[in-house]
Amino acid sequence: SQKIEQNSEALNIQEGKTATLTCNYTNYSPAYLQWYRQDPGRGPVFLLLIRENEKEKRKERLKVTFDTTLKQSLFHITASQPADSATYLCALDAANAGKSTFGDGTTLTVKP
Amino acid sequence: GAGVSQSPRYKVAKRGQDVALRCDPISGHVSLFWYQQALGQGPEFLTYFQNEAQLDKSGLPSDRFFAERPEGSVSTLKIQRTQQEDSAVYLCASSLVSSGTGGEQYFGPGTRLTVT
Repeated sequence: SQKIEQNSEALNIQEGKTATLTCNYTNYSPAYLQWYRQDPGRGPVFLLLIRENEKEKRKERLKVTFDTTLKQSLFHITASQPADSATYLCALDAANAGKSTFGDGTTLTVKP
Repeated sequence: GAGVSQSPRYKVAKRGQDVALRCDPISGHVSLFWYQQALGQGPEFLTYFQNEAQLDKSGLPSDRFFAERPEGSVSTLKIQRTQQEDSAVYLCASSLVSSGTGGEQYFGPGTRLTVT
């Protein structure tokens, strides 16, 4: 069956460091992959989308990589800040499919 | 402009009651999704609409769950004869484009359903 694994439920880092979050998947051939941020009591907020034929995407302090051979995406936040503390979700989508399949998220805590 | 709104934000229902959860998507958005999110887990897909057509309802857990979007805008998720295992946050999301074509989803704040 399809499975998405995000690295360790929780990640704690020091302010200013780079946070790296991992999303691994099995039994899936996604057309694209998305990363969302979710704060407590709120719905997820879209951050970045990367397609299967793209290796890397950047947006300000955020960078996403997508390796379809390794079946893995890495999400990096450089120069992290306490305000980056949240749960980060990856979601996979097949082409022309109705649904997104989400991982369970990684909770990032950035300490000042 | 306004984002996706959901009502009520919180709902407490006694076991066996019927509930109706409302979603107002962003105006003009073609796609609308419903997800169920349990504590500490990611959203689980329930159903998807493209305009008024329900194209995928494979995630609905039982025939007690029913969703509609009659005019292609507002959607209602109805749960009949609620059970304790239905307790979760129900998220609605909309997207400007058809699903599967690379459109980002805009989520509402969710409705937290507690069945007692």
